[in-house]
Amino acid sequence: DAGVIQSPRHEVTEMGQEVTLRCKPISGHNSLFWYRQTMMRGLELLIYFNNNVPIDDSGMPEDRFSAKMPNASFSTLKIQPSEPRDSAVYFCASGQTGSQETQYFGPGTRLLVL
Amino acid sequence: AQSVTQLDSQVPVFEEAPVELRCNYSSSVSVYLFWYVQYPNQGLQLLLKYLSGSTLVKGINGFEAEFNKSQTSFHLRKPSVHISDTAEYFCAVIDWGSSYKLIFGSGTRLLVRP
Repeated sequence: DAGVIQSPRHEVTEMGQEVTLRCKPISGHNSLFWYRQTMMRGLELLIYFNNNVPIDDSGMPEDRFSAKMPNASFSTLKIQPSEPRDSAVYFCASGQTGSQETQYFGPGTRLLVL
Repeated sequence: AQSVTQLDSQVPVFEEAPVELRCNYSSSVSVYLFWYVQYPNQGLQLLLKYLSGSTLVKGINGFEAEFNKSQTSFHLRKPSVHISDTAEYFCAVIDWGSSYKLIFGSGTRLLVRP
């Protein structure tokens, strides 16, 4: 099992540019989560999908952030336009409903917005 | 709202010494409890979890944790640490009613010295 795959691993961009982060969950998992990790706020849940449907997006900071899950094996998190305060590590995690709530995390994407 | 407190931001310890990392949660409702470890520049890896049953939970890498409902605590312990245990450790909780929303503590950095 390859685990949760995220790309890119590192991203440096300039303020105002569009950023797209990608995630491939573990095969067979039907839950997918996007988290953001910063020094100031720690780990925060941004959005939760179940069976490709967004269930809870209350953690999405503002309209500049959007997430999609077009199929069970792919999800994107997009920031448009990006701002320096979006600099953080973004994690994707997947899990299986009813599998005792365990979430498996990807390696993360380290985003720096200049 | 549920919250998780990790009282120690950093715990220095010598190799082969025992260690305890403290975690307290706020909710009085039934919860699932987790410890995750994050090595530098990596994602989070599940160490152990408490769902029900025995209050002493054993995890990977020789770690264990004890659930104490009356004290709303879930402290992580290891009887003898290695240099390779140097990492950030996160305690997290899910309310039974939520079923998916992991609430993380701020993390404790374990620094093992030779």
